[in-house]
Order: sequence, then structure tokens, then C-alpha cells
Amino acid sequence: DAGVTQSPTHLIKTRGQQVTLRCSPKSGHDTVSWYQQALGQGPQFIFQYYEEEERQRGNFPDRFSGHQFPNYSSELNVNALLLGDSALYLCASSLDAGWGGYTFGSGTRLTVV
Amino acid sequence: AQTVTQSQPEMSVQEAETVTLSCTYDTSESDYYLFWYKQPPSRQMILVIRQEAYKQQNATENRFSVNFQKAAKSFSLKISDSQLGDAAMYFCAYRSAWGGVLQGAQKLVFGQGTRLTINP
Repeated sequence: DAGVTQSPTHLIKTRGQQVTLRCSPKSGHDTVSWYQQALGQGPQFIFQYYEEEERQRGNFPDRFSGHQFPNYSSELNVNALLLGDSALYLCASSLDAGWGGYTFGSGTRLTVV
Repeated sequence: AQTVTQSQPEMSVQEAETVTLSCTYDTSESDYYLFWYKQPPSRQMILVIRQEAYKQQNATENRFSVNFQKAAKSFSLKISDSQLGDAAMYFCAYRSAWGGVLQGAQKLVFGQGTRLTINP
């Protein structure tokens, strides 16, 4: 049973560019959450998608947007990249009902130069 | 808003010994969950142990146990018989239990992490 798959694993972008990160949830999970983890810090919640809609959002600017597809996979888009957006981006999937155990992917390391 | 604080940026322990990682949190809620996650160099967050706030009994998973002090808002992790494979970043996390059947909607709030080194 595949866990959470994220792509790409590493990415280098130039300041001002746009980036799209992808996440395939664990089989049977219907909810996807995205977290940003700066170097040496704990993950920070960006937003969560359920039934193809953004259900909850953390304190991130509108440059961060997302999408969830009918097969529950998700994308995270970041526009007008800043140097400060350099981080590890983690995707976590869960089942909406119940206590909500999370399965994390191995993340995408984004470097903005 | 809830906050989670880990005051030990780094800890080290000799193999086979016991180490305790500290975590405090701040919340006005009475019902919530607390977690310890392990993040090895592979970067994937792995759940170590979970504690429901309404349970007085401390959770235990093999060599891992917690000391949950609800009144003090403290949640420490004890690792017994430390092994080289325990070396990793450890994160304490909080999740609200509000939402009923929509508990899946609740986000995790993480601490800053503690880097644990195991010395052979």
C-alpha cells in the first residue's frame, strides 16, 4: 500500500518565478494538508483541501494557492517566489472522519535563488 | 491560538541509556491530542506516540513513553534503551479535538524540534 508521494523531491527556482508541487495521498485518504518547514524549524500549516475545496488556511499570503483533484491528489502553487520561500514542503494526507491520523510524504525541497 | 514550545534544540545520549525530551504547550481548549513525531534524514514525519487529553493514563509504545501533565501543559517524551536508529529530529505537535466528525479538518501545530544524537 503506497504512502504519500510527493514530486519533485528537489527543485531550484529563481526569485519571481512560479512553482507547482504535487502530492498523491495515501490510498483511502481523502484530505490533503500542506506544511512549510523552514530549515531548523517545525512545520507550519499552509492549508488543507477536502472535497476539492480549501477548507482551512494558515497564515500564508495569497501567493500560496492549491488545488485538489477528484482522485484526491493535490497541487501547491507558489507565485512570485521570494528567497524566504526556500523550505521543505510537506504534504500530509488523512481521512476526514474519525480522529484523523496523518501520513506524511518525504517532502519537496524548494530552493529559491 | 495554540502554541507548542520545545526548549531543547539539541540533546545527546549514550546508546542504551534513557533520554527525556521536553515539550510545553499553550491552549484554552480542554479536549485535544498531543503527538511526538520523528523526522529522520529521509525527511518523512513518522508518528512516534499519541496522547488524548481526556485520558489520564500516559501513552506507551514499546521503548517510548510520555509524561502528560495536563494542568502544567507539559508533554515530555522518554526514550528508553536508546538505539542508534533513534537519532533524528523530534517534534512535539498539538491538534484540537473540536469538530466532531470533522476532526480531520484540524491542523497540527508543531514545536521547533529537538535534534537527538545517539552516541555509540
